[in-house]
This record gives sequence, C-alpha cells and structure tokens, in this order.
Amino acid sequence: EVQLVESGGGLVQPGGSLRLSCAASGFTFSDHHMDWVRQAPGKGLECVARSKNRGSSYAAEYVASVKGRFTISRDESKNLLYLQMNGLRTDDTAVYYCARDGMNYSFDYWGHGILVTVSS
Amino acid sequence: DIQLTQSPSFLSASVGDRVTITCRASQGINTYLAWYQQKPGKAPNLLIYVASTLQTGAPSRFSGSGSGTEFTLTISSLQPEDFATYYCQQLNSYPVTFGGGTKVEIK
Repeated sequence: EVQLVESGGGLVQPGGSLRLSCAASGFTFSDHHMDWVRQAPGKGLECVARSKNRGSSYAAEYVASVKGRFTISRDESKNLLYLQMNGLRTDDTAVYYCARDGMNYSFDYWGHGILVTVSS
Repeated sequence: DIQLTQSPSFLSASVGDRVTITCRASQGINTYLAWYQQKPGKAPNLLIYVASTLQTGAPSRFSGSGSGTEFTLTISSLQPEDFATYYCQQLNSYPVTFGGGTKVEIK
C-alpha cells in the first residue's frame, strides 16, 4: 500500500526556516517524480517544487514564487523527500502536501498534509 | 505558466442532478489534464487523468472529456458524497498548475 506521511511543520517567524519531510513507502521511490503542493487557508492548490525520478537524474524544479528560497531533495536510502524552506514569508502559510507523480500525467497519491504557519 | 480557468466557481445542485464543470487552458495542453475532488480538511483525490481515463476506484458516474484547451468533468447523477470542491490540473509543462476550483454544494 502506497503511503506518504509528512512531518516537520509548525509555527515560524517571518524570515525563518523550516524543513518538511515526507516518508514514502509501498512503492519504488526512485521510479517516481515527487512534488510538494501547498494550499493557503481557504485557497486553491499550488505546486511549489518537484524532484524528478532517477531516470531524470533527480532534477529539481520550482515555481517562481519559491525559487531561491526553497530546496527540494531526496534521501533514496531512507525513502524520504524533503523541502527546505528558507526566508519564509507570511504568504507561505499553507498546508503542504507531498504528492506522488503516477508517471501517467497525474498525482495519484497524496499525504495527509502538514500545516506551516509563518507569523510573528 | 499555463493558466487554467474553471467555471463555474460555485454551483448548487440536487442529488440526482447531472453536473458539468469546465476547465479552459491558456494554451494547448494536449490531453495532459487531471481532475481531483477535495473535501474539507482532506487531501485532493484523483478522479480522472489524461482528460478522460477514470482512476481505479473512482465511481463510474464521473467522466472527463476534451483536448487542447477545453475540458469538462461530468457527474452523471450527483450523490450526497459528491458535495466537495473539484480542481483541474495541467501536467503538460512545469510548473504544474491547477484551476481555481469549483465548489459543489447542496441545493
């Protein structure tokens, strides 16, 4: 059974840093692109970062609003996906989801989400 | 970035109604479009991918169609558990983007 479990969220001051983790199980982690998707309170969905699969050399991609501040990475030995978030702003406040790219033009599995609150 | 415009943003319907939601892309995306259902406090759940393929486990009352820039999600007979927010998503190019959502509420 595919499972994605996020951790590491919480309250942080503007300008601060936080690292999110996503523990993946039930599938071959290296075969799939993995994404972080966020949802601000009462708002829609926004993909913020992608870690491509081993076949694509684990290349990273970012949406413009987080480029230079967020870094996505993986630990293949532990089946962990990370999102290092630096220079956090109040508009980064959101629930952050880890999602698996099904390699069929869809995000077929999602974690439960973790809340990140940026506030003084 | 490719923009996705969903309409309507809100709709009120009754159990048993046929419901159609439209998603328009700012440029052609072939059939690289997915549809998700999201209930309050929950993660999105995949319903349809590559515009018209029903995800395993999704009810057959959901169907999708379209290609290029115009897509639709249809619920043939609305059930009580279908009251939720629906999002389209394009995976033609990065950044992957979502439509603004359509909230389906009980009339």
